[in-house]
Amino acid sequence: NAGVTQTPKFRVLKTGQSMTLLCAQDMNHEYMYWYRQDPGMGLRLIHYSVGEGTTAKGEVPDGYNVSRLKKQNFLLGLESAAPSQTSVYFCASSLAGSGYEQYFGPGTRLTVT
Amino acid sequence: RKEVEQDPGPFNVPEGATVAFNCTYSNSASQSFFWYRQDCRKEPKLLMSVYSSGNEDGRFTAQLNRASQYISLLIRDSKLSDSATYLCVVNDVDAGNMLTFGGGTRLMVKP
Repeated sequence: NAGVTQTPKFRVLKTGQSMTLLCAQDMNHEYMYWYRQDPGMGLRLIHYSVGEGTTAKGEVPDGYNVSRLKKQNFLLGLESAAPSQTSVYFCASSLAGSGYEQYFGPGTRLTVT
Repeated sequence: RKEVEQDPGPFNVPEGATVAFNCTYSNSASQSFFWYRQDCRKEPKLLMSVYSSGNEDGRFTAQLNRASQYISLLIRDSKLSDSATYLCVVNDVDAGNMLTFGGGTRLMVKP
């Protein structure tokens, strides 16, 4: 039982490059989330999705785009990476809304030089 | 002002000690409360939900004080394996009812 998986695990980008982070879950969860975690800042919500085909902005959405074309996948895109986007990115999923446990993927460590 | 505030620590305690963490939240309308645990360089995992009446899971006890808007986590008989960062999590009714995570409190249990 894989749970939530993320690819890649590590990545180094140059400023201005683009990339896509992939999140997949096999628990048939409706809700999926993308967070970033920076030292001393805690987890901050970037974008989330309450179901296939729907997405919404979180606390820090600027510079990121997302898509949820299939229920099990949630993609996070960086169109033009900036050093301020150096962070650890976590994907999570939950059966439904805020009263339900969120299951996290192992994270992607991104460095933008 | 942060929605969820925690003392970042670290709390350094010997094995067998009892340690307590507090967390305050700003929105009195919040309804869902949790403690998550995060090991170094790992993902967060749910430790326990926090209910209005308080709840216990083995050596862990969580309490909610709605009047003062704080949540506590008590760990009794600390083990080396309890060393981790503990994240206080609250739903944000003003942000699509999404969860807001505190910055975490780091616990280090020493032999």
